[in-house]
Amino acid sequence: ETGVTQTPRHLVMGMTNKKSLKCEQHLGHNAMYWYKQSAKKPLELMFVYNFKEQTENNSVPSRFSPECPNSSHLFLHLHTLQPEDSALYLCASSQGDRTNTEAFFGQGTRLTVV
Amino acid sequence: GQQLNQSPQSMFIQEGEDVSMNCTSSSIFNTWLWYKQDPGEGPVLLIALYKAGELTSNGRLTAQFGITRKDSFLNISASIPSDVGIYFCAGRTGTASKLTFGTGTRLQVTL
Repeated sequence: ETGVTQTPRHLVMGMTNKKSLKCEQHLGHNAMYWYKQSAKKPLELMFVYNFKEQTENNSVPSRFSPECPNSSHLFLHLHTLQPEDSALYLCASSQGDRTNTEAFFGQGTRLTVV
Repeated sequence: GQQLNQSPQSMFIQEGEDVSMNCTSSSIFNTWLWYKQDPGEGPVLLIALYKAGELTSNGRLTAQFGITRKDSFLNISASIPSDVGIYFCAGRTGTASKLTFGTGTRLQVTL
């Protein structure tokens, strides 16, 4: 099993749909993250969870709703998205949100909003 | 917010050549990281640097943490086709979540 697994790998959804992205980590980490990667832009941190508690929300629109039921699982619920939300959504985890503990990334979900 | 200027944006080199790329910032970082991202995959950590002036190698890769703490470079020696991908620098000022990423250097290797 890979360390951080994301499903689905690809998703096409309409603007009125509701869908969810899933992330699971098998590394025993306590912190999990959602990043957005758009073409020709740096990775953008969206949300941070430490020990299941959300510790950071970087001004993300409410049409993105994260959920962290335990330290191993992270979801991103999507509803009424816009075409400009099309991007690669990356999940990452680390051994707590501490210094000198680097994040490991999943393979990402390629999202296309039509 | 903090910004990282990564250069070059893209490189086309021949197999066997050495590669050099760098990141600069107007802000000080206490950690520099270098990631590689293959097409359709997530970024994979290559090298982490934690001290100003630190020089660290990982196989054919060598990275340095600039003495001013505002820059870092990555060198790849004797490039091979599997080095193709996008290389990202990232700087950190605090905890793991406080990462700022560069825009990436796309590396193409021709035979």
